[in-house]
Amino acid sequence: AQSVTQLDSQVPVFEEAPVELRCNYSSSVSVYLFWYVQYPNQGLQLLLKYLSGSTLVKGINGFEAEFNKSQTSFHLRKPSVHISDTAEYFCAVSEKLRALTFGSGTRLQVQP
Amino acid sequence: GAGVSQTPSNKVTEKGKYVELRCDPISGHTALYWYRQSLGQGPEFLIYFQGTGAADDSGLPNDRFFAVRPEGSVSTLKIQRTERGDSAMYLCASSLSGVDGDAQYFGPGTRLLVL
Repeated sequence: AQSVTQLDSQVPVFEEAPVELRCNYSSSVSVYLFWYVQYPNQGLQLLLKYLSGSTLVKGINGFEAEFNKSQTSFHLRKPSVHISDTAEYFCAVSEKLRALTFGSGTRLQVQP
Repeated sequence: GAGVSQTPSNKVTEKGKYVELRCDPISGHTALYWYRQSLGQGPEFLIYFQGTGAADDSGLPNDRFFAVRPEGSVSTLKIQRTERGDSAMYLCASSLSGVDGDAQYFGPGTRLLVL
C-alpha cells in the first residue's frame, strides 16, 4: 500500500526567504507525485505534478519540486516566498489507476 | 471555463438523518472522485467513477455511504443514518480521462456537520 509522510505540520518563514516543504512516500511500484495547495476556505489547487522524465518539476506561482527515487522524496521548494503563499500544502501520490493518497499537510506561514 | 462545483457549501443535520451532497464536474471530464477531509488531515479517498460506473469504491467506510453518477456527469454522495463521526469536509474532484497520472481538479467542498 502507498503512503505519504509530510514531516513538518507547520513551517514559519519570513517573507522573501526560501522555503522547502518535505514529502516522503512509500510504494512498491512506480508512482505519480503531486503537490496541491489549499488556501483558507478554498478547494485544493494543483501546484505541480511528476509523471516521468526530468526529476525537477516546475509548477505555478514559482514553486518547483524534485523527485528523488532513491530517497523516495518529492520536496517542494520556492526561492522567495510571499505573504500570499500562506496556505496548507499537500503532497499526494498515485499508483497505476488508483486515486490519490494524501499526506497530512504542511501549513506554510509567511511572516512579514 | 467553469470548475468543479459542489452543493451545498455547508450542511448541518441531526444524527440519524439522511443527507445528499452534489458534485458537478468540469464539462467533458469522464472521471470523478469523492474524498473526505477531517480537520487537520489530508483528504481520504472514498470512491471513483469512470463514466457512470463506480470503478473503485474501496474507500467508502461502511454501507451507510453510497454514491451515484447516473448520466456520467453529476454525482451525488448519499449518507444514511448520519453519525457525528461523519462530520467532515467532503471534496469532489474530476479529471479528463482518469488515466495514469491524470491531474484531478477539486471543487470547494461541502462541509457537513452532524449534531
